[in-house]
Amino acid sequence: EVQLLDSGGRMVQRGGSLRLSCAVSGFTFRSYTMHWVRQAPGKGLEWVSSISATSLSTYYADSVKGRFTISRDNSKNTLYLQMNSLRAEDTAVYYCAKDRTTKVVEGGSLDNWGQGTLVTVSS
Amino acid sequence: EIVMTQSPATLSVSPGERVTLSCRASQSIFTDLAWYQQKPGQAPRLLIYGASTRATGIPARFTGSGSGTDFTLTISSLQPEDFAIFYCQQYHNWPPVTFGQGTKLEIK
Repeated sequence: EVQLLDSGGRMVQRGGSLRLSCAVSGFTFRSYTMHWVRQAPGKGLEWVSSISATSLSTYYADSVKGRFTISRDNSKNTLYLQMNSLRAEDTAVYYCAKDRTTKVVEGGSLDNWGQGTLVTVSS
Repeated sequence: EIVMTQSPATLSVSPGERVTLSCRASQSIFTDLAWYQQKPGQAPRLLIYGASTRATGIPARFTGSGSGTDFTLTISSLQPEDFAIFYCQQYHNWPPVTFGQGTKLEIK
């Protein structure tokens, strides 16, 4: 059974930093692109960042570029999101998600999601 | 960036009825379109990818169709557990992937 367990969310002051983790099991982690998606309270889904299977390629939404860093440790089956210079608008539930396919050209849909971890940025 | 627009924002339907949700892309995305269902307090669940392929374990009452810029998700006979928010998402030439704003399906 595929499982993704998000953790690390908490309340943090504006300008602060936080690292989210996503521990996975039940699939060959090192073969899949992974993603972070967030959802502000009462709002829709917003893609945040993605990382290729080998970490060779990373991608960011313009809203977080230069402040967030995605990474992964394939030996530990864990995905990370380092969040710096946090703003009030970063307040959201953050989900890690697995790409549906190992075929990069067909990628981008997300077939398994973590339960989400809440990040609250206080001013 | 490709903008995804869903309609309507809210749909009130009775159990057992057939319902169609719409999603439009600001430019052609061929069939690089997914649909997700999200219930309160839960993570989204992938329903459809490739515009029309049901994900693993998704009941046959969920049908996706469309290509280019116009897409639909049809639920043939609404079950009580189907009421939720539905999002479409494009993944053509990503990043970025982009989501629609969602359609809330509520019980009439």
